[in-house]
Amino acid sequence: EVQLVESGGGLVKPGGSLRLSCAASGFTFSSYSMNWVRQAPGKGLEWVSSISSSSSYIYYADSVKGRFTISRDNAKNSLYLQMNSLRAEDTAVYYCARAKQWADAFDIWGQGTMVTVSS
Amino acid sequence: EIVLTQSPGTLSLSPGERATLSCRASQSVSSSYLAWYQQKPGQAPRLLIYGASSRATGIPDRFSGSGSGTDFTLTISRLEPEDFAVYYCQQYGSPPWTFGQGTKVEIK
Repeated sequence: EVQLVESGGGLVKPGGSLRLSCAASGFTFSSYSMNWVRQAPGKGLEWVSSISSSSSYIYYADSVKGRFTISRDNAKNSLYLQMNSLRAEDTAVYYCARAKQWADAFDIWGQGTMVTVSS
Repeated sequence: EIVLTQSPGTLSLSPGERATLSCRASQSVSSSYLAWYQQKPGQAPRLLIYGASSRATGIPDRFSGSGSGTDFTLTISRLEPEDFAVYYCQQYGSPPWTFGQGTKVEIK
């Protein structure tokens, strides 16, 4: 079964850091671009970051650029999001999502992990 | 950045009725790289349509997408009870990839 499972969410104080992970199974992880998308409580979807299959291409939304770092370990079938200097407005459910190629729709999504930034 | 504007914000319809959702882009979406997603409460989004008009795997044929350039449409020919949800469009032709704000299809 094709599956993405996020972990690492939780409660963190403003200015703190958190590292999210996304474990992939059931497909050849190294052949796919991967993405992070977030959704603040009661709000819509916001694209956060993307990384190509070999990590050659990486993009960030302006709202997280310089604070978040996306990475992947194809040997471990895992995607990561290192989040530093967290702000209240980063509070959201964070989803990882797969794309067949760099510019493609997100065809498989994880169930999400909640990040709450609050003092 | 391409801004996507979805309309209406909420669509109130009865089961069996036809739903027409609009997504307008602030500039042309290259190669019709536009997708539609469905999201139900407490669930992750699900891909319905990619490339503006191609149905994703396992998506019923009552869902159809059309359009090009700056104007795109998602049509649900006959609403089933499980179709009441929020729908988002997304462009993936020009980074940053962007989503519309969503259209909620609710039971009338």
